[in-house]
Amino acid sequence: DAGVTQSPTHLIKTRGQHVTLRCSPISGHKSVSWYQQVLGQGPQFIFQYYEKEERGRGNFPDRFSARQFPNYSSELNVNALLLGDSALYLCASSSQGVNSPLHFGNGTRLTVT
Amino acid sequence: SQELEQSPQSLIVQEGKNLTINCTSSKTLYGLYWYKQKYGEGLIFLMMLQKGGEEKSHEKITAKLDEKKQQSSLHITASQPSHAGIYLCGADLSNQGGKLIFGQGTELSVKP
Repeated sequence: DAGVTQSPTHLIKTRGQHVTLRCSPISGHKSVSWYQQVLGQGPQFIFQYYEKEERGRGNFPDRFSARQFPNYSSELNVNALLLGDSALYLCASSSQGVNSPLHFGNGTRLTVT
Repeated sequence: SQELEQSPQSLIVQEGKNLTINCTSSKTLYGLYWYKQKYGEGLIFLMMLQKGGEEKSHEKITAKLDEKKQQSSLHITASQPSHAGIYLCGADLSNQGGKLIFGQGTELSVKP
């Protein structure tokens, strides 16, 4: 069975640009979460979606937005990129909203220059 | 300050030695998750603990959650080079499932 897949794997953008990251959850998983991991730190929660509805939002500016589609795949959008947005963006899926482990994809490495 | 503290931050052990990584929270945990990460890659799920006093094992790795559900430990027996990587504990502090708070990670190196 395929795991969580993310695209693209690497991305280089310029300050002020916009970026869209994509995630396909494990088949049957209805919950998708997004995390940002800066080098040398643990992942930080950005968003959670369950059954296409936003269930939680972390402490990130409004430049960050996300959505979940009817097939449970998800997009993370970041506007007006800053140098500090350079990070590994991780998507995770789980079968339920609670009490089930998150399974992570390999991430998208975003570099903002 | 971190809501979830991991210790040590880094660890170098000789192959065959045992080691323990700790994860401490100031709040009661609804769930505690252990992951392993290779540099620049995704997180690999190891174990999930939810009940006070719970202990789980997989191959040579054992994880425990204390009775008060505020501290967890990960113990590796007879370490091997394949155990090298970054170990992360993630805590569900709000019973919201997909929203986990992570520690800063423990970087483990195993010398042959």
